[in-house]
Amino acid sequence: GQQLNQSPQSMFIQEGEDVSMNCTSSSIFNTWLWYKQDPGEGPVLLIALYKAGELTSNGRLTAQFGITRKDSFLNISASIPSDVGIYFCAGHLQGGGADGLTFGKGTHLIIQP
Amino acid sequence: NAGVTQTPKFRVLKTGQSMTLLCAQDMNHEYMYWYRQDPGMGLRLIHYSVGEGTTAKGEVPDGYNVSRLKKQNFLLGLESAAPSQTSVYFCASSFLAGARQPQHFGDGTRLSIL
Repeated sequence: GQQLNQSPQSMFIQEGEDVSMNCTSSSIFNTWLWYKQDPGEGPVLLIALYKAGELTSNGRLTAQFGITRKDSFLNISASIPSDVGIYFCAGHLQGGGADGLTFGKGTHLIIQP
Repeated sequence: NAGVTQTPKFRVLKTGQSMTLLCAQDMNHEYMYWYRQDPGMGLRLIHYSVGEGTTAKGEVPDGYNVSRLKKQNFLLGLESAAPSQTSVYFCASSFLAGARQPQHFGDGTRLSIL
């Protein structure tokens, strides 16, 4: 099936640092979504992007829908301990109909105090 | 504030046993989805439903069956469990399908098959 290439796979950073992660695909997406998953829980939606070029913020999080519609990035500014978790990009393929989302493999964020 | 509720949360099965995972949502969503999540992988779609009485195959449907007899419930069945089906299973729902309808996820069912 269609795969999203999400990078990096993991990040070890110091508290207070900024974080950047991205997803790319060879296919066009109509929507890009960024989810966070804490241990033992399901993914929780952070940001949804619906239009090429769109830049959206949610507190310290900022995400952008790439102009080509084949990529997206997520930035986290001034990281704090509760930012630890796995971040997934997900998208809805152009012409995908009612099918579910296509997910990246996740970026595991670890914050060292 | 229930949202999407999955039962059970954990289960251990022996190879060849059968079981049903239940997903219930209280948001009056039309669309429901079952995913599996394996280590180092993103979520992969097993089956989905676009409304009561309808189901469709996703990316990895083999070995699973589903039913949507009531709008609020979506059942995932394993008729003869195999070790390869050891995984964490997530149910999700959305009001409508498509680009502008983000999916809401349950907390998962952790299934181990020995």
